[in-house]
This record gives sequence, structure tokens and C-alpha cells, in this order.
Amino acid sequence: LAKTTQPISMDSYEGQEVNITCSHNNIATNDYITWYQQFPSQGPRFIIQGYKTKVTNEVASLFIPADRKSSTLSLPRVSLSDTAVYYCLVEGSQGNLIFGKGTKLSVKP
Amino acid sequence: GAVVSQHPSRVICKSGTSVKIECRSLDFQATTMFWYRQFPKQSLMLMATSNEGSKATYEQGVEKDKFLINHASLTLSTLTVTSAHPEDSSFYICSARGTGARTHTEAFFGQGTRLTVV
Repeated sequence: LAKTTQPISMDSYEGQEVNITCSHNNIATNDYITWYQQFPSQGPRFIIQGYKTKVTNEVASLFIPADRKSSTLSLPRVSLSDTAVYYCLVEGSQGNLIFGKGTKLSVKP
Repeated sequence: GAVVSQHPSRVICKSGTSVKIECRSLDFQATTMFWYRQFPKQSLMLMATSNEGSKATYEQGVEKDKFLINHASLTLSTLTVTSAHPEDSSFYICSARGTGARTHTEAFFGQGTRLTVV
């Protein structure tokens, strides 16, 4: 059973900031939060991972509140090439990787 | 770094034959590998998890005699679809996790294999 809940789809326009929120009410103490991106007919690609507060890398930011029951992936200034499915996973280092339904992001010109 | 290579990327086989898919970790030791199946417009479904040198653990509803998984080394796992049927046509994806500082908590995915059974 997936541990996460995300919106099924989101629409955006080029140049906008996109925030995708994921709920994970039953996150365990040793779980990390990881976001993956998947294009059609390709394997998922790692975007960002965090445990608490805020993490930023060259492509995204991840915001995690103190209770860790949710997280928000922030994509700054999206482009058409960011159209993909985004998956939020919570997992410990020894756990299985169970995918939820993901969020299909459509970026329009 | 941390690259996972999956081969072949596409395969077409006749009904009743067997197909082997390879998953290699190119620059790290994969202590755990995961195999997924993905149908069109659906999410990844975990089929099984394998640890190097141990028998794979299959998810409920996945036939272990039909989907044979071998993880004989720290860099190679194989999935063999035996006696394939058209309903086995799907996108198969492997993932690997290691023991290094990065590979310990982050899983790396192969490119996927599109299997078509005719």
C-alpha cells in the first residue's frame, strides 16, 4: 500500500513556479522523502531528497514542515520539458520503494 | 555516478517463449535491487525485491515461478519472464540501492524494458 497521497494532475504555464504537495501522515522516524520524475517510456529519475526543513538543489526545492506529515516539491520557472509524472516516496534505507499514483504535470506554452 | 543500465530496452517475443532482462549497476555495488512493472498510464508496481546472494521476495500476486529473479552478484540482477503471454506485455523497470553515502538512501533506476509478447 502506497504511503503517500498526491494530486493526480496539475497544469501550469512556462515560466511559472510549480508546487506539488504530498501527504504522508504515517511517515516513520527513519524515513526519507524522495521525489522522482518520470517521462514516458523511461525509468524514474531522482530529483531531490530530504528529511526535514528545506533542501535545495540545482533543479528543485523541497519543503518539509516540522511534523513531516507532508512535503512540497517546488519547481522554479518550469519549461515545456518539465511535463512529466512526479512521484513522492517515503522510505527508510532498508524499505521497499512503493510508488503511489504520482502527479501528472502538464506545462503549457 | 551511480548509473544503472538495463538491457534490452525493447524486446518482442512469441507467446510461450522466455525472455531475460538484465539490470547492471555500473559504478556501485547494488546490495538491493527492485523490479517493477508499469502498464500504460499507470504507476510502477513493485514485483519483487532481491538482495545479493539471497532469494527474491515477491509481492503478493506476483508468480515467482513465472518471473524468475536472480541476483547473483553485487552488480547484476536478471528478471526472466517464463512462458510469456500477451498479458505479460508491459514496461519492466529495475532499480538498485547500494551501501555508499548516496546509494544507501537513494535508489537508481534503469531505463526500462518494453516487452511485447505476440
